[in-house]
Amino acid sequence: QVQLQESGPGLVKSSETLSLMCSVSGGSIKSISHYWGWIRQPPGKGLEWIVTIYYSGSTYYNPSLRSRVTISVDTSNNQVSLNLRSATAADTAVYYCVRLSTTIFGPVDVWGPGTTVTVSS
Amino acid sequence: EIVLTQSPGTLSLSSGERATLSCRASQSIDRSYLAWYQQKPGQAPRLLIYGASSRATGIPDRFSGSGSGTDFTLTISRLEPEDFAVYYCHQYDTSPVTFGQGTKLEIK
Repeated sequence: QVQLQESGPGLVKSSETLSLMCSVSGGSIKSISHYWGWIRQPPGKGLEWIVTIYYSGSTYYNPSLRSRVTISVDTSNNQVSLNLRSATAADTAVYYCVRLSTTIFGPVDVWGPGTTVTVSS
Repeated sequence: EIVLTQSPGTLSLSSGERATLSCRASQSIDRSYLAWYQQKPGQAPRLLIYGASSRATGIPDRFSGSGSGTDFTLTISRLEPEDFAVYYCHQYDTSPVTFGQGTKLEIK
């Protein structure tokens, strides 16, 4: 049973970079059938897809965030990382590490528990 | 971008009743790449339905999905107490993938 666990600072200052890590356990990040990504959920609001990556390094970004987002995969340590530059209060959200099956865009069949990130001025 | 509009915003029903949730897309989702998720307070969403009508692993058969093109439906045939939650639809046919705003299913 694959499990995902997000980690990173819960508080980020405005204009700085929000950095998160996702550790994958119970399975290999080099699965040919799956993709990995990040989705976020602002407080009291809906879900927003951020980015998807394949273990080979191919990436797919939400155009609205593309200019500020970097994602990478560490196959040796079974980890996926996310960097979101120039953070603002609008980036305050619960960030979920996810596994996608079937296509690069979904569905999301495994979710991490989520990590809350607050961007403060 | 495909906009997904879910209705109703809130649905008040009792255990044992049938729930029908709607998701309408602003343009056709040609490959029926439409999923449904359930989210309870303080938890991550859980995949219920993918491909518009296929149940995910471990999902009870009281949950069913239907529809094509621009109109999709999630039906819960007989509500159990644990089914009261927020439900989201998700299209993964076209980038950027998008989610509906959610339907809150509450106890009447």
